[in-house]
Parts: sequence; structure tokens; C-alpha cells
Amino acid sequence: AQSVTQLGSHVSVSEGALVLLRCNYSSSVPPYLFWYVQYPNQGLQLLLKYTTGATLVKGINGFEAEFKKSETSFHLTKPSAHMSDAAEYFCAIFGNEKLTFGTGTRLTIIP
Amino acid sequence: EAQVTQNPRYLITVTGKKLTVTCSQNMNHEYMSWYRQDPGLGLRQIYYSMNVEVTDKGDVPEGYKVSRKEKRNFPLILESPSPNQTSLYFCASSSEPVIINEQFFGPGTRLTVL
Repeated sequence: AQSVTQLGSHVSVSEGALVLLRCNYSSSVPPYLFWYVQYPNQGLQLLLKYTTGATLVKGINGFEAEFKKSETSFHLTKPSAHMSDAAEYFCAIFGNEKLTFGTGTRLTIIP
Repeated sequence: EAQVTQNPRYLITVTGKKLTVTCSQNMNHEYMSWYRQDPGLGLRQIYYSMNVEVTDKGDVPEGYKVSRKEKRNFPLILESPSPNQTSLYFCASSSEPVIINEQFFGPGTRLTVL
């Protein structure tokens, strides 16, 4: 079975600082990996996805993620945090006709 | 505007009283799915549908039913709700192939079962 693990249920960073949200995956086949963002009282929105090809994936709002097979990781980064980035972030893996989500990381931005 | 809509957005009910949460999409998507979101557990899939009259169980289907009589609608039915079904529910839809196409999520339905 495929799964993802998000390290850290809460992450706080100062405005302007680097954002790093960690996700590790488990899969016996080449994975399809996703990051979603959920703003307060809203549904989920796709940030970026990795299917095949380039291992550095760029998404919306300045986020990017790098697929590292040797480390089974797909960490999400943003060079400079903005107050509007405060939200909950979910890593997900696709398999068996469904997305399997991690438990989420709540990102807080400190002014 | 392309969107997934859910109704109601908020619902408080009592144990055993049947309820239906509606989901509708206007993007002509083949694939639709229901998830529940619980603190510390992320989102877990309840049921999904690959097309009209084709539905299948997800990870947590117990206590739920679905139907897909029309392409645009995918209602979630709780025949006899129980307090452990108190949760935030999301409907999502996607075009085929699902593996590479974005799933669009509805705004969520917050259900409380007393």
C-alpha cells in the first residue's frame, strides 16, 4: 500500500524566511505525488504535482518541491514566506484510483 | 465558473436521522469522490465513482452510501448517522485520467451528529 508521512503537524516561520514542509512517501511503484493547500474554511487547492520527468517541480504562489527517490522524499519549499501562506498543507500520493493524504502540516507565519 | 458545490455547508443532526449531502460539478468530470477530514488524520476517501452508475468503496465506507445517476451529481447518504460520523466532508471531481489531472474540491460540509 502507498502512503505519505508528513513530519511536523505545526510549523512556524517568520515572514520572509524559508518555508520547508517535509513529506516522505512509501510506494512499491513509481509514485505520483501532490501537495495541496487548505486555507481556513475552504476546500483544498492543488499547489503542485510530480508525475514523471523533472524532479524539481514548480507550483503556484512561489512554492516548489523536489522529488528525491533515494530519500523517498517530496519536501515543499518556498524561499520567502508571506503572511498569505498561513494555511494547512497536505502531501498526497495517488494509487488505486485515489489520493491518500498525509495528516497535514499547519503553517503559521510570524510577522 | 468551474466549480464543485456542496450542500448544506453546515448541518447539525441527531443520531439515526437519515441525511443526504449533495455534491454537484459543472466541469463534465468523469471521476468524483468523497473524503472526510478529521483532526490528526488528514483526509480519508469514503467512496469514489469513475463514471455514471460506477461506484466503489474507499478507505472508510462503513455507514455511508453513494449514488451516481447523473454525471454531474454524487450525493453522499448517511442512512443512520452516528456521532463518530461527525466530521468535515469534501467532495472532489476530476477528468480522466485521474492520475495526472487535478482534483477539484468543493468547499466542504461540516456535519455534527448529536
